[in-house]
Amino acid sequence: AQKVTQAQTEISVVEKEDVTLDCVYETRDTTYYLFWYKQPPSGELVFLIRRNSFDEQNEISGRYSWNFQKSTSSFNFTITASQVVDSAVYFCALSTAGAGSYQLTFGKGTKLSVIP
Amino acid sequence: NAGVTQTPKFQVLKTGQSMTLQCAQDMNHNSMYWYRQDPGMGLRLIYYSASEGTTDKGEVPNGYNVSRLNKREFSLRLESAAPSQTSVYFCASSEVGGYTGELFFGEGSRLTVL
Repeated sequence: AQKVTQAQTEISVVEKEDVTLDCVYETRDTTYYLFWYKQPPSGELVFLIRRNSFDEQNEISGRYSWNFQKSTSSFNFTITASQVVDSAVYFCALSTAGAGSYQLTFGKGTKLSVIP
Repeated sequence: NAGVTQTPKFQVLKTGQSMTLQCAQDMNHNSMYWYRQDPGMGLRLIYYSASEGTTDKGEVPNGYNVSRLNKREFSLRLESAAPSQTSVYFCASSEVGGYTGELFFGEGSRLTVL
């Protein structure tokens, strides 16, 4: 069975601080995908990034960066110079292909509050 | 391109009432899913449909039924609503044959059972 653990339930930072959201996953599959989604107060789920299990390169997109380490089964997300608009719940998720479909297993989410 | 469309957006039910949440996608995806989101619990899979004509239980299927009406539509039915089913429901779709396994989500349906 798949499992995703986001140990940080809530984080508060002051604007312009850097913040890292932790994600640890468990799976026995060798092929899998990792995701981060953002859920702003408006409620929709916004896709941020996808990584596959064969690509451990870190990725940077503007103020966002992701650190994927298979050795520790972690896929951490860092926001540099945080802004108020970054306030949201962030979900890490794991997808494996089984029985003809992908099943996305979510962590419980980390609520980030960026204080002006 | 509408993506994944869910109706209704909001619904209030009394205990014991029934209702159906509708979901349609226009991306020609094979797989569709229903998740529920509860505070502090993340999103949990209720049912999914790998392809037209098939449905399977997810993590929390009790109290729900689904119908994959055609390739576009996947409905979720509560036959006798209970307060424990108060939640936000998300429909999603994906293309198994693609590279990503990425799910595309609807905007969510907020259901309150009194």
